[in-house]
Amino acid sequence: DQQVKQNSPSLSVQEGRISILNCDYTNSMFDYFLWYKKYPAEGPTFLISISSIKDKNEDGRFTVFLNKSAKHLSLHIVPSQPGDSAVYFCAASKGSGNTGKLIFGQGTTLQVKP
Amino acid sequence: GAGVSQTPSNKVTEKGKYVELRCDPISGHTALYWYRQSLGQGPEFLIYFQGTGAADDSGLPNDRFFAVRPEGSVSTLKIQRTERGDSAVYLCASSLTGGPGTEAFFGQGTRLTVV
Repeated sequence: DQQVKQNSPSLSVQEGRISILNCDYTNSMFDYFLWYKKYPAEGPTFLISISSIKDKNEDGRFTVFLNKSAKHLSLHIVPSQPGDSAVYFCAASKGSGNTGKLIFGQGTTLQVKP
Repeated sequence: GAGVSQTPSNKVTEKGKYVELRCDPISGHTALYWYRQSLGQGPEFLIYFQGTGAADDSGLPNDRFFAVRPEGSVSTLKIQRTERGDSAVYLCASSLTGGPGTEAFFGQGTRLTVV
């Protein structure tokens, strides 16, 4: 039972354009959402997060949008840069007694072409 | 060290053998997590330590898997009677206190191959 889904395995965009990565979830108890970025042979690194009480969080070129009614979140990167090429994971954590345990999606590989 | 350190980086073992994977978290971080990442998938939660105790081990797939953190710092993930299906990258992460909103820092992982 995949509670967090990233339905696009890959995305290719031109440098300078916007990258939009999508994520859907099924569990309404999730109250915190995060995006991680992963380069080959490295561990995931934290990018940006959003609490379920918000619908938008922005940090520089990165913005995460949360639509709770649709159980959908997205990560916008603008402008995209070649160094953004990596695998992006959406993750969620939930509820009372939240331990910070994360449920990850399958990942989306982003390629930004110069 | 500055970040989460995992050793070894790579481990090849024969089916049926016992392996230990080590994680050195960031100093002062009380929360420690183990995840497993199979090819083409996202990391999958295995176990969470708060200090020395395993607060949530619901992700351990079976009783061949065990983890310890005896002094609340370094943790060891132990796998008995390894099977080919155990082949994956094992990731360790730590955070300052655990809980929502506290950023988890990941190590580079140990790639385990069971032949």
